[in-house]
Amino acid sequence: DAGITQSPRHKVTETGTPVTLRCHQTENHRYMYWYRQDPGHGLRLIHYSYGVKDTDKGEVSDGYSVSRSKTEDFLLTLESATSSQTSVYFCAISGSAGGRNEQFFGPGTRLTVL
Amino acid sequence: DAKTTQPPSMDCAEGRAANLPCNHSTISGNEYVYWYRQIHSQGPQYIIHGLKNNETNEMASLIITEDRKSSTLILPHATLRDTAVYYCIVRVPDNAGNMLTFGGGTRLMVKP
Repeated sequence: DAGITQSPRHKVTETGTPVTLRCHQTENHRYMYWYRQDPGHGLRLIHYSYGVKDTDKGEVSDGYSVSRSKTEDFLLTLESATSSQTSVYFCAISGSAGGRNEQFFGPGTRLTVL
Repeated sequence: DAKTTQPPSMDCAEGRAANLPCNHSTISGNEYVYWYRQIHSQGPQYIIHGLKNNETNEMASLIITEDRKSSTLILPHATLRDTAVYYCIVRVPDNAGNMLTFGGGTRLMVKP
């Protein structure tokens, strides 16, 4: 299995509080992604990164920010959590833009915003 | 990226082959077919992908029709651990952002 860890694995927080989720990889892959998964919506891309300090928005980026200060870590921040951000969050990594381009996913973080 | 259509659910007997179909009639010439699966409460897992030739790896085989408008993922000897939601995705590998768009998928239930 690809070396991807997410922390925390579970978190319960209150509306209006900031939350940061961490994705850590040991594969030295260039691309990293944050998805959220909700019933009836499949996986939706929030933000992605194509290198250190290089990030871009995905399909559902409102209310989220990201940072990537080093290759192995990709942080997802909810500046002021809302109940609509209750979801399961998955981080993924990919080694290249071409070729096989398969993505490897982390175990997920279950976030509940009360 | 092209849209795909998959049956919402399928059953398969343990030890038998599981054949999961996918329609992608609007696929364009440079789009590949990817298959992922998601076992309950886990992150999605890459299975296989192909462009136009049939492909096989240690997990599965991918059969793509000659016109590329449909494909079938084959798990040759399904086990209980293959119970999962299987997603068929068509996309260009070097698309900006490399995002994956997951549809509803097929929920495969492998039964003893």
